Amino acid sequence: EAAVTQSPRNKVAVTGGKVTLSCNQTNNHNNMYWYRQDTGHGLRLIHYSYGAGSTEKGDIPDGYKASRPSQENFSLILELATPSQTSVYFCASGDGTGGDTQYFGPGTRLLVL
Amino acid sequence: TQTVSQSDAHVTVFEGDSVELRCNYSYGGSIYLSWYIQHHGHGLQFLLKYYSGNPVVQGVNGFEAEFSKSDSSFHLRKASVHWSDSAVYFCAVSLNYNQGKLIFGQGTKLSIKP
Repeated sequence: EAAVTQSPRNKVAVTGGKVTLSCNQTNNHNNMYWYRQDTGHGLRLIHYSYGAGSTEKGDIPDGYKASRPSQENFSLILELATPSQTSVYFCASGDGTGGDTQYFGPGTRLLVL
Repeated sequence: TQTVSQSDAHVTVFEGDSVELRCNYSYGGSIYLSWYIQHHGHGLQFLLKYYSGNPVVQGVNGFEAEFSKSDSSFHLRKASVHWSDSAVYFCAVSLNYNQGKLIFGQGTKLSIKP
């Protein structure tokens, strides 16, 4: 069954530490996205990718890097985590049709202390 | 400023009632509109989308939405809600056919009373 999976599902990090959030999709979609979801802000786009080897900045890229080493994998990297990055992070893959229907992973809950 | 607006943060109805969740947008040109549902503790799931043709589109689980260019709206409706429809609903806009940076509204939480 095609799916988008994320790991870890929960993460506690210390301020200044490095955090890597991983996403894997078996949908064979070219497009992949990282969002964060915070109360009062809805979903906000951090980084996205239109294929292996490419990454683009979204609406709130500061403090985040992204890596797309393959069609299936898309990582979000917090080099120096801060408490303001405490959030729920969602990865999605997009099928590239009609405005790009997106398929979301279950989310990663990140707490930065 | 280009925006997607969901005017109701919270809607409560009884099971079996009809419901309409509102979405308005402020974009010019061709756009692609969609609705997603998020059950508590889960990721978003696609419900339906519109990008051309019949302005009334059908989605899963009895949901439908109607596009209105004159009103800049894409409201979601269901004739008879079930308790399992309790969730947060997000309206989203994309400006590109195949490379969709989705812009989401703030979401409407739908609560169903027994």
